[in-house]
Amino acid sequence: QSVLTQPPSVSAAPGQKVTISCFGRSSDIGNNYVSWYQQLSGTAPKLLIYDNDKRPSGIPDRFSGSKSGTSATLGITGLQTGDEADYYCGTWDNGPGSGGIWVFGGGTKLTVL
Amino acid sequence: QLQLQESGPGLVKPSETLSLTCTVSGGSITSNYYWAWIRQPPEKGLEWIGSGNTYYNPSLRSRVTISMDTSKNQFSLNLRSVTAADTAVYYCARKSRGSSIWFDPWGHGILVTVSS
Repeated sequence: QSVLTQPPSVSAAPGQKVTISCFGRSSDIGNNYVSWYQQLSGTAPKLLIYDNDKRPSGIPDRFSGSKSGTSATLGITGLQTGDEADYYCGTWDNGPGSGGIWVFGGGTKLTVL
Repeated sequence: QLQLQESGPGLVKPSETLSLTCTVSGGSITSNYYWAWIRQPPEKGLEWIGSGNTYYNPSLRSRVTISMDTSKNQFSLNLRSVTAADTAVYYCARKSRGSSIWFDPWGHGILVTVSS
C-alpha cells in the first residue's frame, strides 16, 4: 500500500479536462515539493511537473500542478488520446523513523474515451 | 542531451545478488546531482530503491548498495539475497539535490526476473 493515495483510474473525453489527486500527510506532501511522472504504456516514466507546479522544458502548458496542505493535484486540459498513460505523484517523506525516504503514489490510469 | 542506459543480467537465481549498471552519456556523473535506482514490479507501481550511496529505502537498506565508477561514468546497483519479490523492471535516473527533488531523465529500464 502506497504512502501517497491516488485514484486508481480516471477517464474523460478528448478535448476535456481531467484532474488527478494525490493525498499524503504532513511529513511528506505537507512539508516537501511534489513531482508528477507520466508513464506511457511500455515506456519509462517521464518527469511532467516538479516543485508542485513547474513544468520542465518541452512539457506543454496543458499540464499543470498544484499543492494545498497535504494534497496535490495534476491537471490536464485539452485531453488527447496520446495522454493515455499511468500518472504517478512523488515526494520526500521526513516521517519519524523513516530516516528520509522518497515515496510514490500508487499511480492513476488515465483513459481518454 | 543526457541519456541513461541500464545493463545487466535479465535472470537471477534466488538467494543470489542482482547487479545492474547504469551508463550515463551526454553528461558527467560527477555533476551536481545524485543518481538513483527505482523499480517497478510487473503490473505494479514505482518503488524507490535508493539515491547516491547514502539514501536507501529502509525496506531494502540491509540488502542494497549503490556505487559510482567515475572513470567509466557509470553507477551500479547491488541487491543481495534476492527472492521472487524482487522481480521487476529496474530504472536508473538522475536525481536533483536539495529540497527540490525530482527524477529526470530515466533510463529505458531493464526487466530482471528472479527464478531458479
